[in-house]
Amino acid sequence: AQSVTQPDIHITVSEGASLELRCNYSYGATPYLFWYVQSPGQGLQLLLKYFSGDTLVQGIKGFEAEFKRSQSSFNLRRPSVHWSDAAEYFCAVDVGNTPLVFGKGTRLSVIA
Amino acid sequence: EPEVTQTPSHQVTQMGQEVILRCVPISNHLYFYWYRQILGQKVEFLVSFYNNEISEKSEIFDDQFSVERPDGSNFTLKIRSTKLEDSAMYFCASSESFRNEQFFGPGTRLTVL
Repeated sequence: AQSVTQPDIHITVSEGASLELRCNYSYGATPYLFWYVQSPGQGLQLLLKYFSGDTLVQGIKGFEAEFKRSQSSFNLRRPSVHWSDAAEYFCAVDVGNTPLVFGKGTRLSVIA
Repeated sequence: EPEVTQTPSHQVTQMGQEVILRCVPISNHLYFYWYRQILGQKVEFLVSFYNNEISEKSEIFDDQFSVERPDGSNFTLKIRSTKLEDSAMYFCASSESFRNEQFFGPGTRLTVL
C-alpha cells in the first residue's frame, strides 16, 4: 500500500535559521506530491505541489521543495524561518487511484 | 479568493445521535471530498464524490456514513449514529478536476460525548 513517511514528529528552529522538513513516499511510480500547512485551529493550506517537470518547485510564503526520484523524497525547505511559520506541516501524495494519502505531519516550533 | 466553507465549526453531540456536517465547495469545482483527522493523528481520506455519486470511499466510510449534494452548492456528510471514536476534525475539500490540487475548508470539530 502507498505510504508517506515524515520522520520528524517535532522540529524546533530559531527564527532566521534554515529549515528542511523531510518526506518520503512508498510507491512504484511517481505520484503527484503536495505539502500542506495547518496553523492552530485552521484548515489545510496548500504550500506547493509537484506534478512533473522541474524537480525544484516554488510555493507560497517562500517555501520550496525538491523532488528526488532516486530517494523517493520530496523535502520542504525554507531558507529563513519566521516566527509565523510555526505550524503543522503535512506531506501528501496522490497516486492516481486513490485520493490524497497524508503523512503524520511535522510540528514546527520557532524560537527567538 | 474563492474558498471552501464548512459549518458548524464545532459540533458537540451525544453518542448515538445523528449529525450532519455541511460544506460549500468552490463553485466551479467538480470533485468533492471528506477527510477526517483524529486528534494527534494524520489526516485520513473518507470519501470522494463526483457527478452526484460516490467515486471512492475508504474502509472508515462504513454504513453509518453517507454523503449528499442536496442542491447546487452544499455537500454534506451525515453520520447516522455517532460513536465516541467519531470524535475528530472533519475536513471538506474540493478540486476542479481529477487529480488536481484539493482546496480544504477550515474543518468541523466533532465531539461525541
